[in-house]
Amino acid sequence: GQQVMQIPQYQHVQEGEDFTTYCNSSTTLSNIQWYKQRPGGHPVFLIQLVKSGEVKKQKRLTFQFGEAKKNSSLHITATQTTDVGTYFCAGRLVGGSNYKLTFGKGTLLTVNP
Amino acid sequence: DGGITQSPKYLFRKEGQNVTLSCEQNLNHDAMYWYRQDPGQGLRLIYYSQIVNDFQKGDIAEGYSVSREKKESFPLTVTSAQKNPTAFYLCASSIGSTNTGELFFGEGSRLTVL
Repeated sequence: GQQVMQIPQYQHVQEGEDFTTYCNSSTTLSNIQWYKQRPGGHPVFLIQLVKSGEVKKQKRLTFQFGEAKKNSSLHITATQTTDVGTYFCAGRLVGGSNYKLTFGKGTLLTVNP
Repeated sequence: DGGITQSPKYLFRKEGQNVTLSCEQNLNHDAMYWYRQDPGQGLRLIYYSQIVNDFQKGDIAEGYSVSREKKESFPLTVTSAQKNPTAFYLCASSIGSTNTGELFFGEGSRLTVL
């Protein structure tokens, strides 16, 4: 079935280092969303990408959607301790229900101050 | 404050007992969802509802039931038929009707079956 793979599963960095998490789908996505879940918290929406090759930035965060709309990445420049948490990608399958988001397993980011 | 309220936050139950998790939203959203989250796993869709009095099975609906009698409310019952019910349950809502809606999540309910 439809799968969204996310790597790495864990990433530990020193404060100030960069961080990237990657998301790959077995099939084409109509759009992809990214969420952040702080430890003990609930997922919070970060951004949505819709167009092929789209790049969006939010301060130190850069989100990309691949040309084939099957992969995406989230890059954080100069991590801070406030970036700690699990980052999930979630995609909607082309031709599938608008209401069904398939989530990756997430990347847990820890930052050493 | 607009948002989604889940209760209880923590729940302990014995095996074989049904348990109902509450989810209420005051965002006036049409669509509501229930997800299950296990350690190190992504979120898996249990049920979703596009509109009042309608709901659809998600990817892991077996052993669960829902109702949507009011727009604001989407309770989830974890039945005794669910083989491994211990998990973190997240309710969410979205505006619905389009394929670009972001999900707004509640704070979750952590169910432990002893």
